Amino acid sequence: QKEVEQDPGPLSVPEGAIVSLNCTYSNSAFQYFMWYRQYSRKGPELLMYTYSSGNKEDGRFTAQVDKSSKYISLFIRDSQPSDSATYLCAMSARAGTALIFGKGTTLSVSS
Amino acid sequence: DAGITQSPRHKVTETGTPVTLRCHQTENHRYMYWYRQDPGHGLRLIHYSYGVKDTDKGEVSDGYSVSRSKTEDFLLTLESATSSQTSVYFCAIRTDGTGRTEAFFGQGTRLTVV
Repeated sequence: QKEVEQDPGPLSVPEGAIVSLNCTYSNSAFQYFMWYRQYSRKGPELLMYTYSSGNKEDGRFTAQVDKSSKYISLFIRDSQPSDSATYLCAMSARAGTALIFGKGTTLSVSS
Repeated sequence: DAGITQSPRHKVTETGTPVTLRCHQTENHRYMYWYRQDPGHGLRLIHYSYGVKDTDKGEVSDGYSVSRSKTEDFLLTLESATSSQTSVYFCAIRTDGTGRTEAFFGQGTRLTVV
């Protein structure tokens, strides 16, 4: 079993839809969780950062962490064509250690 | 971009030649990482550094070496490039401020080994 599992998609939605992206993980020691957005031929861009459990909201984006289920989610409200990208989840157990990444989910939002 | 610059941005090299990629940061962060990104594999850790002259291996370190003689620079060397090392290479830094420890990436180096 991979440490971090993420459905690669692709996921296609119409503009304005609510998008749900998810990752599961196996290492119960993970406590730092991040979501990145990556446009084609660009570097990953940090979207959301969460420490331990709970929800975090930033504009149209909400990140949720459920450590009891080893499950994290990213919700995008009122999706826009500019949200079309690959979304990567990442996590680590300690502050200085390297992030372990999911393989990414490709999202396409059509206008 | 958290002050991260990768060079070169693109490179084509021949099998068997050594290649060095450079990552430069402007904010004196302690932790630096090299990842490669390949279709179907996602981002995989090659090597990382937790300070000057302090480095360690990651998941896919075979065929690669690193050096960090200054806080701001982290070099990745392919000792003898092979076609399997054709990839996009990303450098990352991780902040170590109180209560927050985010990671930021450079724009990547696209390496082709022919």
